[in-house]
Amino acid sequence: GAGVSQTPSNKVTEKGKYVELRCDPISGHTALYWYRQSLGQGPEFLIYFQGTGAADDSGLPNDRFFAVRPEGSVSTLKIQRTERGDSAVYLCASSYDDGGDSNQPQHFGDGTRLSIL
Amino acid sequence: GQNIDQPTEMTATEGAIVQINCTYQTSGFNGLFWYQQHAGEAPTFLSYNVLDGLEEKGRFSSFLSRSKGYSYLLLKELQMKDSASYLCAVIGNDYKLSFGAGTTVTVRA
Repeated sequence: GAGVSQTPSNKVTEKGKYVELRCDPISGHTALYWYRQSLGQGPEFLIYFQGTGAADDSGLPNDRFFAVRPEGSVSTLKIQRTERGDSAVYLCASSYDDGGDSNQPQHFGDGTRLSIL
Repeated sequence: GQNIDQPTEMTATEGAIVQINCTYQTSGFNGLFWYQQHAGEAPTFLSYNVLDGLEEKGRFSSFLSRSKGYSYLLLKELQMKDSASYLCAVIGNDYKLSFGAGTTVTVRA
């Protein structure tokens, strides 16, 4: 079966531009996560969706960052007025929520490498 | 806040054993994950520990001691393809996954 798919794989744009990053989770996974990973660091949590709603957006660095998941499947991370410091790999992950106490592993996409010039 | 520490780099010889340690100080504890990440690729799930003890899965084993805030990942019979970054991640009371910076393992022939 298909894994988590992220597009584009690479995005280069100029400072001040608007970008959208797309994530297509594993079919049937209700939980979806966005992370940002800088070189030599582990992924840093940005936002978590359970179904269509953002259950936790406490990791978004500022109001230039926004994410949606309108139909509970595909999600889009949107960054306005991009800055050079936004350059990083943006990872998406999904997991199956069985409604119990067990923690299901998150399955990651290959990420979008965003470069702001 | 969450604080997760692991060594930056380790080098080992093909066929050998390497142990990657991870210590954590978190607000609560609801499980610990190990992920493998090859350069330019997605992190892939290796193991999950929530109770104390050793979980064995083929050549890879993971150990947890909750009282010590400590885990290790043991890689046996190292192969060249095991050269990668290994990420320790903890779920605290906030149910978010907090990652360490990763340990880069280099396997030499």
